[in-house]
Amino acid sequence: SAVISQKPSRDICQRGTSLTIQCQVDSQVTMMFWYRQQPGQSLTLIATANQGSEATYESGFVIDKFPISRPNLTFSTLTVSNMSPEDSSIYLCSVTLSGLAVYNEQFFGPGTRLTVL
Amino acid sequence: KQEVTQIPAALSVPEGENLVLNCSFTDSAIYNLQWFRQDPGKGLTSLLLIQSSQREQTSGRLNASLDKSSGRSTLYIAASQPGDSATYLCAVNPTGTASKLTFGTGTRLQVTL
Repeated sequence: SAVISQKPSRDICQRGTSLTIQCQVDSQVTMMFWYRQQPGQSLTLIATANQGSEATYESGFVIDKFPISRPNLTFSTLTVSNMSPEDSSIYLCSVTLSGLAVYNEQFFGPGTRLTVL
Repeated sequence: KQEVTQIPAALSVPEGENLVLNCSFTDSAIYNLQWFRQDPGKGLTSLLLIQSSQREQTSGRLNASLDKSSGRSTLYIAASQPGDSATYLCAVNPTGTASKLTFGTGTRLQVTL
């Protein structure tokens, strides 16, 4: 597997502000994703982070609200913009790794718990 | 649109029991299915991945089976322990969608002493 770290691990923010979450991986990554887990819910895919180009967003998620960067293979950021209390969730990055026998097994970071007041 | 359901939503068992968690999906055209464990407020730990061509996978006390034609997977936990207490999630990787997982609703397991 791999060591996947996220920063910050948690934060409490005021509505109308923005928060940038970082995801760093210590192994060779093929694909990188961002998910949201709202309280009491399962995970929903926000977008696929593409290296050096615009992310691919799922239905219901837009770049203006969730801008994503991936400047290299092992690092990505997700920004939650103009936050409202409805954005309170756990945000998780996940990756698939190169060089594994099961190449599309997905591994998750520890998550960032965001509370918006 | 793929929908993934897990039954039961919550389960409490005494230590030592064998138990089965169920996962069903509506579209049988899947590439693989992955079982995860999530501790409260934490990220996900991958437990087992079953490719669509496989029937089952085993890791220690865990055994996952897959019946793609009927849209079902089960996770069998043998000799449960209090440390197994967590939420268990299944996720399907639909064919041709580049690893974009669709998650189930989860089963919250509590193993009591």
